[in-house]
Amino acid sequence: AQTVTQSQPEMSVQEAETVTLSCTYDTSENNYYLFWYKQPPSRQMILVIRQEAYKQQNATENRFSVNFQKAAKSFSLKISDSQLGDTAMYFCAFMKHLGNEKLTFGTGTRLTIIP
Amino acid sequence: DAGITQSPRHKVTETGTPVTLRCHQTENHRYMYWYRQDPGHGLRLIHYSYGVKDTDKGEVSDGYSVSRSKTEDFLLTLESATSSQTSVYFCAISDRGGQNYGYTFGSGTRLTVV
Repeated sequence: AQTVTQSQPEMSVQEAETVTLSCTYDTSENNYYLFWYKQPPSRQMILVIRQEAYKQQNATENRFSVNFQKAAKSFSLKISDSQLGDTAMYFCAFMKHLGNEKLTFGTGTRLTIIP
Repeated sequence: DAGITQSPRHKVTETGTPVTLRCHQTENHRYMYWYRQDPGHGLRLIHYSYGVKDTDKGEVSDGYSVSRSKTEDFLLTLESATSSQTSVYFCAISDRGGQNYGYTFGSGTRLTVV
């Protein structure tokens, strides 16, 4: 079974600064997907970024980027130029490449952007 | 972008009563999921479906049942609600193999069992 660990329950950062959220996972699979989801106070789950394990290049989406270290089983999210709208819960999640596509989630990091 | 809708959005029910939550999709995706979200636990899988009348258990399935009689609808039933089932419930669909690989979530149902 896969496990996903987010060791930072809460973080805060000043607006416009850069913040990195940590995620580690444990799996015996070689091919899989990793995701970061954002959950603002509205409760909606929003996909921030995805990474395919077979791709060595780190995924980037505007101000969001990941540092994917496959050997270390680490998948951190960097938010640059943080904005007030980035305040949310962030969940890291794992999915095997083939199969029933179940997502395994971490426990989340609550990020607060301070004006 | 409705693609997936959940109903109701909020519900309060009494211990021991049956409760059914509904998930409806318009994307014709094969895979549908029910998760519950609790503080300190993230989201945990209750049940999922890989086709009409094809369902399987997740990691926290005790006390829950599901049905999928049509591609677009996936129902979650709490057979006899307990206070431990107070939670936020999310339905999700999976765009398997599509360009937007990953889940699309419904807006969630906050269920309170009193």
